[in-house]
Amino acid sequence: DAGVTQSPTHLIKTRGQHVTLRCSPISGHKSVSWYQQVLGQGPQFIFQYYEKEERGRGNFPDRFSARQFPNYSSELNVNALLLGDSALYLCASTLDLGVNTIYFGEGSWLTVV
Amino acid sequence: AQRVTQPEKLLSVFKGAPVELKCNYSYSGSPELFWYVQYSRQRLQLLLRHISRESIKGFTADLNKGETSFHLKKPFAQEEDSAMYYCALSSRGGATNKLIFGTGTLLAVQP
Repeated sequence: DAGVTQSPTHLIKTRGQHVTLRCSPISGHKSVSWYQQVLGQGPQFIFQYYEKEERGRGNFPDRFSARQFPNYSSELNVNALLLGDSALYLCASTLDLGVNTIYFGEGSWLTVV
Repeated sequence: AQRVTQPEKLLSVFKGAPVELKCNYSYSGSPELFWYVQYSRQRLQLLLRHISRESIKGFTADLNKGETSFHLKKPFAQEEDSAMYYCALSSRGGATNKLIFGTGTLLAVQP
């Protein structure tokens, strides 16, 4: 039974570029959330999507955007990359909005140079 | 403000010693608290949640609303317990269900 899968696992980008990170939730899970984990910190909430609609947004600039597709997979997009965007980006899925058990993927390591 | 505080970045103990990882929170309303663990080269995974009142891998955590704490305890540490531990608070606002994490405590169990 596949867990939350993310791609790519590692990538390096240059300042000013954009990046797209992808996530497939656990089969049957309808909600996907994105978290940013900077080295030495705990994960910080970026977005939550449910049934293709944004249901929550953390304190991140408009350079960050996301979407959820009909098959419940999701993309996180970051434009005009800054050095400070270097982090581990975690995708998490839950069965439904009201369910507390949140399952995390292994993450995508983004390095901005 | 909703916040989770883990005061220790690193906790080093010897095998067989008791372990207590501290977590304090700030939240208006009834909190739902969790401990997540990340073993080396593995994904973040749920260890336990306060509403379950269960013991997982010998770990327990009791919610103390008076002290706004949710400390993680284990009477006898094992080397395989070495990992990064995160305390997290579930924040429900409208239709959003998100986790607010502490900065984590690295538990190192020495042989």
